[in-house]
Amino acid sequence: DAGVIQSPRHEVTEMGQEVTLRCKPISGHDYLFWYRQTMMRGLELLIYFNNNVPIDDSGMPEDRFSAKMPNASFSTLKIQPSEPRDSAVYFCASSFGQGKGPQHFGDGTRLSIL
Amino acid sequence: AQTVTQSQPEMSVQEAETVTLSCTYDTSESDYYLFWYKQPPSRQMILVIRQEAYKQQNATENRFSVNFQKAAKSFSLKISDSQLGDAAMYFCAYRGGLTSGTYKYIFGTGTRLKVLA
Repeated sequence: DAGVIQSPRHEVTEMGQEVTLRCKPISGHDYLFWYRQTMMRGLELLIYFNNNVPIDDSGMPEDRFSAKMPNASFSTLKIQPSEPRDSAVYFCASSFGQGKGPQHFGDGTRLSIL
Repeated sequence: AQTVTQSQPEMSVQEAETVTLSCTYDTSESDYYLFWYKQPPSRQMILVIRQEAYKQQNATENRFSVNFQKAAKSFSLKISDSQLGDAAMYFCAYRGGLTSGTYKYIFGTGTRLKVLA
């Protein structure tokens, strides 16, 4: 079975540009999570969805960040405008069974904002 | 609010030896899940083992086992017969149970494990 698929794997762009990260969860999973990982702050939950509906976005750092899940098989995390401090590895994860199942992570997107 | 603490930033173990990674957590919930994830240099997050709080029996997965002490809110990971491939960052994670209606995972800061040949 395919795991969680994230794209792109690496992204390098200049500050001020719009960045869109993509995620395809495992088929049948009803929860989707977006995380950011940095050396300074570790692994932070940004937002999570249940059945495509955002449940908790309290971890989204500021209005420059937005996330959508238009259907059960696709989610995006957008940063506009991007800043150098947004540089990090962004992970998407999904789980099933009202969250009882463990989270399965994608390979992450390494984002570098110059 | 729940917290997860990993007090060992780095650990080393000789190949074939046993090592124990520590994790403590704080919660007022009685129903929750605990996990250990492994992150090798490839940066994948790989589930190692999980424990449901209502189960008294410690979880075991091959060379990996946990010592779950619910009263002490302790959840340590034991790796037996350590292999070079076990070298990675290990994260302890907490997830609230159904009674809280919270499905957020809270991760510790990680322990970097080095395996010496």
